[in-house]
Amino acid sequence: KNEVEQSPQNLTAQEGEFITINCSYSVGISALHWLQQHPGGGIVSLFMLSSGKKKHGRLIATINIQEKHSSLHITASHPRDSAVYICAVTRGGNEKLTFGTGTRLTIIP
Amino acid sequence: DTGVSQDPRHKITKRGQNVTFRCDPISEHNRLYWYRQTLGQGPEFLTYFQNEAQLEKSRLLSDRFSAERPKGSFSTLEIQRTEQGDSAMYLCASSLARRYEQFFGPGTRLTVL
Repeated sequence: KNEVEQSPQNLTAQEGEFITINCSYSVGISALHWLQQHPGGGIVSLFMLSSGKKKHGRLIATINIQEKHSSLHITASHPRDSAVYICAVTRGGNEKLTFGTGTRLTIIP
Repeated sequence: DTGVSQDPRHKITKRGQNVTFRCDPISEHNRLYWYRQTLGQGPEFLTYFQNEAQLEKSRLLSDRFSAERPKGSFSTLEIQRTEQGDSAMYLCASSLARRYEQFFGPGTRLTVL
């Protein structure tokens, strides 16, 4: 079993819909990261959080440490949000990232 | 541009050849990470440097792989005697210090024929 699991693996939605991507992890962590990867490979860090909730524009990330679960929400989704969203965790020490397999999001105009 | 850069962006090589990739981190970042991503999978950790010291290597990093970070600045990742299974995207990331976010380069896509 992977240490970081994401669901769904693929998600297709209409423009304007509210999007939720889930991440569960099975180990103690120092932080959880949400990352965005566009075609061509570039990865951008969206959020790093260790408790509570963070918001940036239309993106919201929450984490429940007791349940070892995090969600990434996108409000008023837009075709430019189409990308792979990856959940990753760090566990202290060297802070290397352990990644989930990603959620491929497609927003249809 | 003060982001993380990687060179080359694409590399096609024949099986058995040696290849070397370069990563230039953000200048004040002392932590540098190499990851590998195969098609349809999330990235996997390969190795980590704090300044010039290589502090951890994954078991994924066979004896054919070597990484250096002389003077704690840029880093190189060399693969000797490449195999088709080495085909992947090689990603470099850097961070300022512990508990800071990692900034990723654009990656080097390696294809071994």
